[in-house]
Amino acid sequence: QSALTQPASVSGSPGQSITISCTGTNNDIGSYNYVSWYQQQPGSAPKVVIYHVSDRPSGVSNRFSGAKSGNMASLTISGLLPEDEAVYYCSSYTSAGALDVLFGGGTKLTVL
Amino acid sequence: HLQESGPGLVRPSETLSLSCTVSGDSLNSPSYFWGWIRQPPAKGLEWVGAISHTGNSFSAPSLKSRVTMGVDTSKNQFSLRLTSVTAADTAIYFCARQVGAGLWISRWGQGTLVTVPS
Repeated sequence: QSALTQPASVSGSPGQSITISCTGTNNDIGSYNYVSWYQQQPGSAPKVVIYHVSDRPSGVSNRFSGAKSGNMASLTISGLLPEDEAVYYCSSYTSAGALDVLFGGGTKLTVL
Repeated sequence: HLQESGPGLVRPSETLSLSCTVSGDSLNSPSYFWGWIRQPPAKGLEWVGAISHTGNSFSAPSLKSRVTMGVDTSKNQFSLRLTSVTAADTAIYFCARQVGAGLWISRWGQGTLVTVPS
């Protein structure tokens, strides 16, 4: 059982927008602006698409955006492309009690 | 670029040992931690731990008692040792560069599969 809760799957058509939620607690997402999101294609290592809640690394499309409200973070992908199909993981830093880096269980995005 | 190396098969109760060789980056950077993340087959990601160039290390609370990490700046390598392994430790192990504030993962190795037979 993962520390952060994500939906198992989401889907959308090319050109549409989707949002993936990530629910934590007051001890992680709710206390730190250190949420990151990773995209993992089959057979590959994950790749960061968002860090510090809403910052995009250079080279990542501005179609990817992140936000946070309370104990929930979200990743929005606009203008869906077929190559966006992947598994997306959220992650949060916590030092409440003991330092840890938590992950969600992953959300499979299908581009119909 | 980060490249993991180590045995692909470890017997139960023995110690898993992996190394990560870093190229194009210096382990001496004060901005980064050098970490390990694992992924059991067809499952999600789990952070194992991370270490700085000074040897300051942090481990996931659930693994802390079994994890030792090291860093060799002269070889630009860092390492992971996980003791008393069981089949539950079977996973792809990724080494990674983690950025100090919040420990987000800015760069990943390709990963190496370590199997512990049951």
